[in-house]
Amino acid sequence: EDQVTQSPEALRLQEGESSSLNCSYTVSGLRGLFWYRQDPGKGPEFLFTLYSAGEEKEKERLKATLTKKESFLHITAPKPEDSATYLCAVRPGRGSTLGRLYFGRGTQLTVWP
Amino acid sequence: GAVVSQHPSWVICKSGTSVKIECRSLDFQATTMFWYRQFPKQSLMLMATSNEGSKATYEQGVEKDKFLINHASLTLSTLTVTSAHPEDSSFYICSAREAGSGNTIYFGEGSWLTVV
Repeated sequence: EDQVTQSPEALRLQEGESSSLNCSYTVSGLRGLFWYRQDPGKGPEFLFTLYSAGEEKEKERLKATLTKKESFLHITAPKPEDSATYLCAVRPGRGSTLGRLYFGRGTQLTVWP
Repeated sequence: GAVVSQHPSWVICKSGTSVKIECRSLDFQATTMFWYRQFPKQSLMLMATSNEGSKATYEQGVEKDKFLINHASLTLSTLTVTSAHPEDSSFYICSAREAGSGNTIYFGEGSWLTVV
């Protein structure tokens, strides 16, 4: 069964305090691991797609990495505006409709000044 | 980047009435769109996959007669909640895969439905 588990559920950081969010997955033939940011009452905003173990992508203070079992979203020197829920999703490879994603529950990040 | 628009952003309806939510891909063609439901502090739960020109595929436990999905064109899918009840109150989000783009999936801003 395809599963996505994110940890921690909630994370509070002081501005400038770097940390990492974890996304563990079990999936039949990974065809993409996605990170999204979701603000309260809004739809998810696309951040990254990772396809293979060892791949890394960066965007401003965010860096996503991927292994065969998990992905990390590293946040360097976060600012209050980085506060949001970060969602991880996977797209299985075998027998899966193109674009169908399985989501984790998300990590609610709060960055305080 | 590609934009997916949902309308309305929020809607309040009376119990027993029906409400329609639209999902449009504004600058790309989407042969497949997806409808999700999200409860407070919960993750997105896929309700159905909407395919242009054919019937939608519903996830287990989702009533197809209650949540009617129509994908009449390559840029528009609609979700109609029929005979709405208070328990249908939720945040509904659509997503679309840009044809030929590989794996990039774009999400709409979501629609808040409150049934009173």
